[in-house]
Amino acid sequence: DTAVSQTPKYLVTQMGNDKSIKCEQNLGHDTMYWYKQDSKKFLKIMFSYNNKELIINETVPNRFSPKSPDKAHLNLHINSLELGDSAVYFCASSQEAPPRRNTEAFFGQGTRLTVV
Amino acid sequence: DQQVKQNSPSLSVQEGRISILNCDYTNSMFDYFLWYKKYPAEGPTFLISISSIKDKNEDGRFTVFLNKSAKHLSLHIVPSQPGDSAVYFCAASESAGGTSYGKLTFGQGTILTVHP
Repeated sequence: DTAVSQTPKYLVTQMGNDKSIKCEQNLGHDTMYWYKQDSKKFLKIMFSYNNKELIINETVPNRFSPKSPDKAHLNLHINSLELGDSAVYFCASSQEAPPRRNTEAFFGQGTRLTVV
Repeated sequence: DQQVKQNSPSLSVQEGRISILNCDYTNSMFDYFLWYKKYPAEGPTFLISISSIKDKNEDGRFTVFLNKSAKHLSLHIVPSQPGDSAVYFCAASESAGGTSYGKLTFGQGTILTVHP
C-alpha cells in the first residue's frame, strides 16, 4: 500500500497545453510538498501546504498552481506548458514542517513531464 | 545560489569497502541534516539524519558525520553492498526564523556504484 502516490508517472504533452499531476498520501501527515528535479538534478521545493494552507511558495511561475482539497491531497496544475517545464516532479509529505527527527519527508515515485 | 552542494557527481567502490559521500552547505541556519537514497524511477527514501547538536549518528552500516565549523557532512557506508548502488541526496532544514524555514534544501546527488 503506497504511502505517497502520484499520477501519472509519465506525462508527454505539447507546448501550450494545461495539465495536472495528482498526489495523495495515506500517512495522515499534515504537510505536503511539491519538488521539481531539474536538468542539473537538484531537487528544488516549489510549494508546501500544511493542513490545506499554503505555507511555502517559492519563486515559481504563476502558471503553476497547487490545489489542496484536503490534507491528504495536493495536486499541481500547470497552465500553458513550456519546454522548460520538462522535469521530474516529486510530491512528498511529512508530519510537520520542516521535517525533524522521526518525521522525515516521504516522497512519491515522481512524474516525468516532457513538453514537446 | 545552491545552499547544499554535493561536489562529486559519482562514486565507484568495490563491494565490502567503505563508501564515503560528501556534502557541503553554506547556510549557517541549517540545523538538521538528512540523507536520502534514490533508485531509478522511484522517489527518494529517507536513510539517516543528524541534528546539529551532534557530530555523529550511526545506524547499522550507515554513519553520518557532521563538521559544523567546516559546514560539511559525510555519509559512510561500510561495508558497501551492490544493493547500495543508487543516487544519494544530502538535504538540510533550517531552524525557525530563517528564510529557508519549513522545507528541505537538497544537493544535486551523488551516484554511488558498488561493484561486486
